[in-house]
Amino acid sequence: EPEVTQTPSHQVTQMGQEVILRCVPISNHLYFYWYRQILGQKVEFLVSFYNNEISEKSEIFDDQFSVERPDGSNFTLKIRSTKLEDSAMYFCATGGFAYNEQFFGPGTRLTVL
Amino acid sequence: KQEVTQIPAALSVPEGENLVLNCSFTDSAIYNLQWFRQDPGKGLTSLLLIQSSQREQTSGRLNASLDKSSGRSTLYIAASQPGDSATYLCAVGGGTSGSRLTFGEGTQLTVNP
Repeated sequence: EPEVTQTPSHQVTQMGQEVILRCVPISNHLYFYWYRQILGQKVEFLVSFYNNEISEKSEIFDDQFSVERPDGSNFTLKIRSTKLEDSAMYFCATGGFAYNEQFFGPGTRLTVL
Repeated sequence: KQEVTQIPAALSVPEGENLVLNCSFTDSAIYNLQWFRQDPGKGLTSLLLIQSSQREQTSGRLNASLDKSSGRSTLYIAASQPGDSATYLCAVGGGTSGSRLTFGEGTQLTVNP
């Protein structure tokens, strides 16, 4: 069964460093999303991406965040200058046209020191 | 702004019991509703998707209902098993296809053998 994959599974970085989180969506899906979950808190929406552009973003998704599909298959989330409060589990999700059910990857645990 | 609430926050039952998890949301203009399962430190597994025009969906021992006008959904688990122990998340999709999911805080279920 097709699934969403994410790399790395765990990333440790120093405050102020740039990180890139990668996702391989389910093929033929057209909607892509990033969510995050701070330990012990709700899953929060960051951004959605459709037709090679951002379709929706939350107030969390400020100028330090960016997304792109660099090669037509991978979907990446870049955090330019990480902060301590960026420490969280970051989930990629993808959705197709069939009722837009969203399928989540296993997540990348980001730890900012 | 959509708000999603799940009750109870935690539930502990003996094996074999039937149980109901509750989800409520404040804005009835939804596209769909998904129930997910999350195991500790893991990603989200989609259990059931209900379209806004549907009243319920079933998969095996799981049955989810939706009353959009009152802003409520329930997840019914029949004949619970220890392997059902996990956190169950309710997520509401925005008013159009491709919209973000807004999550509740989840119900942590423990099924005791």
